[in-house]
Amino acid sequence: DTGVSQDPRHKITKRGQNVTFRCDPISEHNRLYWYRQTLGQGPEFLTYFQNEAQLEKSRLLSDRFSAERPKGSFSTLEIQRTEQGDSAMYLCASSPPGGPGEQYFGPGTRLTVT
Amino acid sequence: TQLLEQSPQFLSIQEGENLTVYCNSSSVFSSLQWYRQEPGEGPVLLVTVVTGGEVKKLKRLTFQFGDARKDSSLHITAAQPGDTGLYLCAGARGGSNYKLTFGKGTLLTVNP
Repeated sequence: DTGVSQDPRHKITKRGQNVTFRCDPISEHNRLYWYRQTLGQGPEFLTYFQNEAQLEKSRLLSDRFSAERPKGSFSTLEIQRTEQGDSAMYLCASSPPGGPGEQYFGPGTRLTVT
Repeated sequence: TQLLEQSPQFLSIQEGENLTVYCNSSSVFSSLQWYRQEPGEGPVLLVTVVTGGEVKKLKRLTFQFGDARKDSSLHITAAQPGDTGLYLCAGARGGSNYKLTFGKGTLLTVNP
């Protein structure tokens, strides 16, 4: 079991550019989550997939954000027309079916918008 | 609105000391998880507690879930420098998606 992986680990982009992040969950985990963490804060929920279906989106996820999980395996998070306020650590987590919902996090993608 | 309050926010102690950090809420959670996070990395799951009053031990770490499932504590015995990190509690409020609500964390520094 290789754990949750995320790519890239770091991304620096200029304001107005589009960025895409990838998350590969632990195999056989059917639930996948995206969170955002800013300095001094705990992670905040963005969106949730069960298999390929996106079942919940936070109000934090503006129209510039879109997430997909096309085959129920890896997921992508795209941010269009990035703003400086989008600078944060983007975390992906996965969770197995059943159980109390324990979530296993990846190493995160650190986004800096200049 | 911060649903989970963690205290203290910062804690600096000497190696060998004991400590307790707290996670409190006015909301009931179906489960509560504790994580440790190091700078630039994702949170690492330490424990999940589900039953009110439950106590779990992980080596020198003892986790307790409150009887009413609204609060939790983490006690570390004989802290070591390797325990340094940000300790986060996160609650799941039921339903089918188990999305987590996190506290701001307790930043622990254990000095040699």
